[in-house]
Amino acid sequence: SQKIEQNSEALNIQEGKTATLTCNYTNYSPAYLQWYRQDPGRGPVFLLLIRENEKEKRKERLKVTFDTTLKQSLFHITASQPADSATYLCAREGDGGFKTIFGAGTRLFVKA
Amino acid sequence: EAGVTQFPSHSVIEKGQTVTLRCDPISGHDNLYWYRRVMGKEIKFLLHFVKESKQDESGMPNNRFLAERTGGTYSTLKVQPAELEDSGVYFCASSQVTGEKLFFGSGTQLSVL
Repeated sequence: SQKIEQNSEALNIQEGKTATLTCNYTNYSPAYLQWYRQDPGRGPVFLLLIRENEKEKRKERLKVTFDTTLKQSLFHITASQPADSATYLCAREGDGGFKTIFGAGTRLFVKA
Repeated sequence: EAGVTQFPSHSVIEKGQTVTLRCDPISGHDNLYWYRRVMGKEIKFLLHFVKESKQDESGMPNNRFLAERTGGTYSTLKVQPAELEDSGVYFCASSQVTGEKLFFGSGTQLSVL
């Protein structure tokens, strides 16, 4: 089956360091991947979308890569801040491209 | 610009009762989606509208769930009769481009007792 997997363990890092989150996919080749942020009690917020023909995309302190050989997307937050603490979700397009399928998310904690 | 709004934010009902959730998408967004997160699980797709038409309802759990989008504007999701396993957070989202850059509401926390 087509799967999208994120590290279920929480990631704890020190303020100022770079956080790197991983999203792996199996048994298919997505046309694009998306990354969202979710805070407790809120809906997910869109951050970045990267297409299969793009190696890297940046937005302020955020960077996403897409490696079709490794079947993996990496999400980086540079100069991390406590305010970056949240759950980060990776998402792929569903069958036929009409729906968005979310991974379970990785919880990030940034310590001051 | 107003975001996606959902009502109510919380609903507590007894098993067997009916509940209707409402979603107002961002104006101009033809695509509207319903998702659900059950405790400890990932966000699961329920269905997708394009304007007033159901494009994909493959994620709807069973026929106790009915979604409508009259006139292609706001949408409602009715659960009748509610069961204990229907408890969770129901999210609505909308987008301009199908499947890309979804804008989510804050969700409706549904508790079925």
